[in-house]
Amino acid sequence: DADVTQTPRNRITKTGKRIMLECSQTKGHDRMYWYRQDPGLGLRLIYYSFDVKDINKGEISDGYSVSRQAQAKFSLSLESAIPNQTALYFCATSDSMGYEQYFGPGTRLTVT
Amino acid sequence: GDSVTQMEGPVTLSEEAFLTINCTYTATGYPSLFWYVQYPGEGLQLLLKATKADDKGSNKGFEATYRKETTSFHLEKGSVQVSDSAVYFCALGRSGQLTFGSGTQLTVLP
Repeated sequence: DADVTQTPRNRITKTGKRIMLECSQTKGHDRMYWYRQDPGLGLRLIYYSFDVKDINKGEISDGYSVSRQAQAKFSLSLESAIPNQTALYFCATSDSMGYEQYFGPGTRLTVT
Repeated sequence: GDSVTQMEGPVTLSEEAFLTINCTYTATGYPSLFWYVQYPGEGLQLLLKATKADDKGSNKGFEATYRKETTSFHLEKGSVQVSDSAVYFCALGRSGQLTFGSGTQLTVLP
């Protein structure tokens, strides 16, 4: 079984809809991250969490929110989706050093 | 702030060719440096890392040396294979966070 799982893997939604992307991990790591990937821009950090009670904004948090339901679960929400949020979204986890990050397979989100 | 600049792709090579993907960084202090690889349809995987100046990271025939004097961490492989076709990301680590370059698409032809 994969160490980091993401659901759904693909999603098409309409402008203005609320959508939640979910991430679960079995590595026992405290740290979890949400990134988005756009062509030519690499990965950009949206939010990160160093433990269940610690949530931090990343480089591009506007329009997104997160919830850390448990050590193993970290979800990303788009309260009112817009077309420029069309991207590939990755969840990742890491140990306390934070550098070797383990990535999920990604969720491809399309907002029409 | 911290930033990472990577050689633009795409890069296309024949099997057994020599590979170099350039990476330079801007940062204060002494960050750690990484190369991650993304195979088609998958998430990123750590390929190699270096935590201090002059360290050489290596894995699967790939190497990169942390050069503080030139603020570089170029990725090299002496003989690429078709299975090395992927997107390669250079990254800088500080305070438990990673800053990624834009990625370089590598295609290796048989």
